[in-house]
Amino acid sequence: QVQLRESGPGLVKPSQTLSLTCTVSGASISTGGPYYWSWIRQHPGKGLEWIGYIHYSGNTYYNPSLKSRVSISIDRSENQFSLKLSSVTAADTAVYYCARDLDGSGTIFDNWGQGTLVTVSS
Amino acid sequence: DIQMTQSPSSLSASVGDRVTITCRASQTISNYLNWYQHKPGRAPKLLIYAASNLQNGVPSRFSGSGSGTDFTLTITSLQPEDSATYYCQQSYSILTFGGGTKVHIK
Repeated sequence: QVQLRESGPGLVKPSQTLSLTCTVSGASISTGGPYYWSWIRQHPGKGLEWIGYIHYSGNTYYNPSLKSRVSISIDRSENQFSLKLSSVTAADTAVYYCARDLDGSGTIFDNWGQGTLVTVSS
Repeated sequence: DIQMTQSPSSLSASVGDRVTITCRASQTISNYLNWYQHKPGRAPKLLIYAASNLQNGVPSRFSGSGSGTDFTLTITSLQPEDSATYYCQQSYSILTFGGGTKVHIK
């Protein structure tokens, strides 16, 4: 059973960089199969927004609406992957989820973390 | 981006009722449509993928149908544990989700 858990600061100041980590247990990011590891967020009271993903090989693909500010990376030694979102504003306040895809397509999410709330405020 | 529109935005139904949620895409997406259930404070759960395929472990009272631009999630006999928000998501191009349908149990 794959489990994912998000961690990171719950409060970030405007213009700073939001940094979150997703710790994976029950599977190896590097050797557990050709999966994609995604970040998804949900603004308060609103729908879900896909941020981007990283393939186990290290290739990344980001939502064009966030591409200029997003970076996703893998730490193979810790079996984690991370999100960095730069120049944040109040509009980046959201619950952030990490997820793994179902079948190596990167597009269907069958394993999710419980989410972590990040508030952008001074 | 492809816009996904769900209706209704919320509904209230009784245990045992048949519930139908619709999702419409702003352009054709073939069968690249997935459904999720989300309860507060919990991880979202994949219910249906590729429009009509039931994810392993999901009760058979859940079913999905549709192709092109119009899709439906049906719960044939609503149970108390089905109280949640349901989201559709297209996987045809840049991934986008519908706005959600909140299901309340009367």
